[in-house]
Amino acid sequence: GAGVSQSPSNKVTEKGKDVELRCDPISGHTALYWYRQRLGQGLEFLIYFQGNSAPDKSGLPSDRFSAERTGESVSTLTIQRTQQEDSAVYLCASSRGRWGASYGYTFGSGTRLTVV
Amino acid sequence: TQLLEQSPQFLSIQEGENLTVYCNSSSVFSSLQWYRQEPGEGPVLLVTVVTGGEVKKLKRLTFQFGDARKDSSLHITAAQPGDTGLYLCAGKDNTDKLIFGTGTRLQVFP
Repeated sequence: GAGVSQSPSNKVTEKGKDVELRCDPISGHTALYWYRQRLGQGLEFLIYFQGNSAPDKSGLPSDRFSAERTGESVSTLTIQRTQQEDSAVYLCASSRGRWGASYGYTFGSGTRLTVV
Repeated sequence: TQLLEQSPQFLSIQEGENLTVYCNSSSVFSSLQWYRQEPGEGPVLLVTVVTGGEVKKLKRLTFQFGDARKDSSLHITAAQPGDTGLYLCAGKDNTDKLIFGTGTRLQVFP
């Protein structure tokens, strides 16, 4: 597609429920990144996929968080047993090339998650 | 853990004023990028600087990468209401991911 697409755009869930967030990167972009942004703050790295290499999961805050990516396409971020502190905007970005970060990211509009 | 501290955190100015935003770290980055984010949207790339001491200009915006590649600045001349947004610096570390700064929220009043 022309841009990075994320769904849903907004999600309200009850504490303890599982949620799944989806990201469709730009076609041909081999690198895909998930970040979390708390209200009014900067971006916190969560996980990075590059082609068929093992993902860099070093930013996942707990074992309740996991992500998958099918080849070089769609990615899903799953949060199990959601807590109120998980409330944030979850941003997905994609980038081209082996060293995608050097070229800059193209971000989606994010999924705003609210845990009540 | 690499950290990028931005200052000021908030900036509220009148149209036509000049401003500078700073991005500082104790770590060296191979490149540094600046993004602007508007409400409800993802950040949008403004510029990438790679060489220590490099200066890039984008219309009224001037970006500089420090000689030691640990810091950067963004200067806006004659700010306009359309410049309003959250400005984020981001450094590329030795893996292929960006470390984002704490952000500077700019409000320009007409």
